[in-house]
Amino acid sequence: DAGVIQSPRHEVTEMGQEVTLRCKPISGHNSLFWYRQTMMRGLELLIYFNNNVPIDDSGMPEDRFSAKMPNASFSTLKIQPSEPRDSAVYFCASSLGNRFSGNTIYFGEGSWLTVV
Amino acid sequence: QKEVEQDPGPLSVPEGAIVSLNCTYSNSAFQYFMWYRQYSRKGPELLMYTYSSGNKEDGRFTAQVDKSSKYISLFIRDSQPSDSATYLCAMGVIQGAQKLVFGQGTRLTINP
Repeated sequence: DAGVIQSPRHEVTEMGQEVTLRCKPISGHNSLFWYRQTMMRGLELLIYFNNNVPIDDSGMPEDRFSAKMPNASFSTLKIQPSEPRDSAVYFCASSLGNRFSGNTIYFGEGSWLTVV
Repeated sequence: QKEVEQDPGPLSVPEGAIVSLNCTYSNSAFQYFMWYRQYSRKGPELLMYTYSSGNKEDGRFTAQVDKSSKYISLFIRDSQPSDSATYLCAMGVIQGAQKLVFGQGTRLTINP
């Protein structure tokens, strides 16, 4: 099993630029999550999808952030325009969400974003 | 008040010591409790999970849940330098939403 695959692993961009982070969930998983991790705020859920449909985007900080899941094997998180306060590690995660599997979530290795 | 509170540490102990990591929570709807371990510059990985109050043991690790006090713990026996990592507690409601709420994470260092 390849696990959750994220790209890019590292991104340095200038303020105002568009940033697109990509994720391939574990094959067969039907739930996908985008988290953001910072020293100050810890790990925060931004949005999650179930069967490619956004279920809860209440964690998306503002309209500059958007996420899509066009199919079961791909998702993007876009920040436009980016700001220095968006600097963080962004994790994608997936799970086989059903009543019997509980809430076990598998994380990717993260995309380390620095906005200067 | 955060739904889940966890002391961020850092916590530094000598090799072989027993380590106790703790979280408190305020939402009585949480039924599913997990501990994740995160090595430096890596994603969190599931270490242990439990549905019920009481203890669950897995090798050198023991997860303890006290729902009446809204308090969970992770104990590490015979700690090793390879246990040095950040430990995050996480909680969720089994049925319905897939959301987990994470603690801040406790940074642990085991000194040889």
